[in-house]
Amino acid sequence: AQSVTQPDIHITVSEGASLELRCNYSYGATPYLFWYVQSPGQGLQLLLKYFSGDTLVQGIKGFEAEFKRSQSSFNLRKPSVHWSDAAEYFCAVENAGNMLTFGGGTRLMVKP
Amino acid sequence: GAGVSQSPSNKVTEKGKDVELRCDPISGHTALYWYRQSLGQGLEFLIYFQGNSAPDKSGLPSDRFSAERTGGSVSTLTIQRTQQEDSAVYLCASSPLGLLNTEAFFGQGTRLTVV
Repeated sequence: AQSVTQPDIHITVSEGASLELRCNYSYGATPYLFWYVQSPGQGLQLLLKYFSGDTLVQGIKGFEAEFKRSQSSFNLRKPSVHWSDAAEYFCAVENAGNMLTFGGGTRLMVKP
Repeated sequence: GAGVSQSPSNKVTEKGKDVELRCDPISGHTALYWYRQSLGQGLEFLIYFQGNSAPDKSGLPSDRFSAERTGGSVSTLTIQRTQQEDSAVYLCASSPLGLLNTEAFFGQGTRLTVV
């Protein structure tokens, strides 16, 4: 069965610093991968997705993610974090049944 | 509407009571999903509707949980004889024709508290 692991439950970075959120997946076939963000009291918003092609994917709000098949990873990055990026981030993989399996999430806090 | 709408946004209920949670998906979306987000946990898949096909109920945690989707649009998640461990945020999502090459759009959720 597919699974998604986000090893970091909490991350704190200073505003303006770079960010990398880790995501590892376990899935037998070519994965379809997603990153979602959930701001406090809000639903989930899609940041970016990977289906095929270029392994470096650009998303909204200045985020990008790189698919590395050899490492079974899909880490999310941002070169300079803004205070408004404080939220919870979820990595997900789509399985053959067209459903999303989510990781446990990483809560990002941004220091001024 | 423009997005996925869920109601109520908050629900407090007494242990043992039944509750109904409603989801209005984006118009034209054939796929509808229910997820549960417990405090400090990730998102747990509950049930998936795709068009007129039989729903995938493999994620429902017990027979107290059921869901239906009327006319291929609005969905209701029913929890019977609620327990305290049912307290969570219940999220609904919809997508066109399932997820392949597209994305799921999520509602803002219903926060259920069982006291």
